[in-house]
Amino acid sequence: DIVMTQSPDSLAVSLGERATINCKSSQSVLYSSDNKNYLAWYQQKPGQPPKLLIKWASTRESGVPDRFSGSGSGTDFTLTISSLQAEDVAVYSCQQYYSTHTFGQGTKLEIK
Amino acid sequence: EVHLVESGGGLVPPGGSLRLSCAASGFTFSSYWMHWVRQAPGQGLVWVSRINSEGNSPSNADSVKGRFTVSRDNAKNTLYLQMDSLRAEDTAVYYCARGGSNRWYTEFDSWGQGTLVIVSS
Repeated sequence: DIVMTQSPDSLAVSLGERATINCKSSQSVLYSSDNKNYLAWYQQKPGQPPKLLIKWASTRESGVPDRFSGSGSGTDFTLTISSLQAEDVAVYSCQQYYSTHTFGQGTKLEIK
Repeated sequence: EVHLVESGGGLVPPGGSLRLSCAASGFTFSSYWMHWVRQAPGQGLVWVSRINSEGNSPSNADSVKGRFTVSRDNAKNTLYLQMDSLRAEDTAVYYCARGGSNRWYTEFDSWGQGTLVIVSS
């Protein structure tokens, strides 16, 4: 199975500042035939189900604020929140769907 | 609007059985792959099972293989997870999630609120 490892496990950022979360896969999730990275990012607030933010590593889901962006390719990926808002406090998880489905352990984002 | 509602969770002793349901609405249920994902208390998300749109190609994670069975009734717009030989480590919130319309290797774009399963004597 592909193992997804996120860093850091937790992160405290001041309002209005940039937040960066990393995700590393144990093998490449870039599919050569379509040149797409099979990688998604989810946001999960306390007591709520996950919400899809980004698919194909960098395609923002409809309705997701443009302060959220995804980047990376192959085995190394990043979720960036350009200007942290209070409502962004949540756990963020990456997921690969290249081979079955595996998730990272999650990164807890808090306000500093 | 896509709506997924899980039910059937509860407290069950080790070795017991439980059947979860996920009622779907707001989309053409019979056109989509569906998945079950679980989350143990304070832990990360773990994929459990998936089933194709027709219901004839189920697949399970190794951790539940031989114990859990995923199925669906497209006439009732409902997804099921039959859980047998339950263990303490199966304790988790179980979510149903919508996958792709024509393949399993997609993101999950809609999730239910989840149902809690507690395996304890």
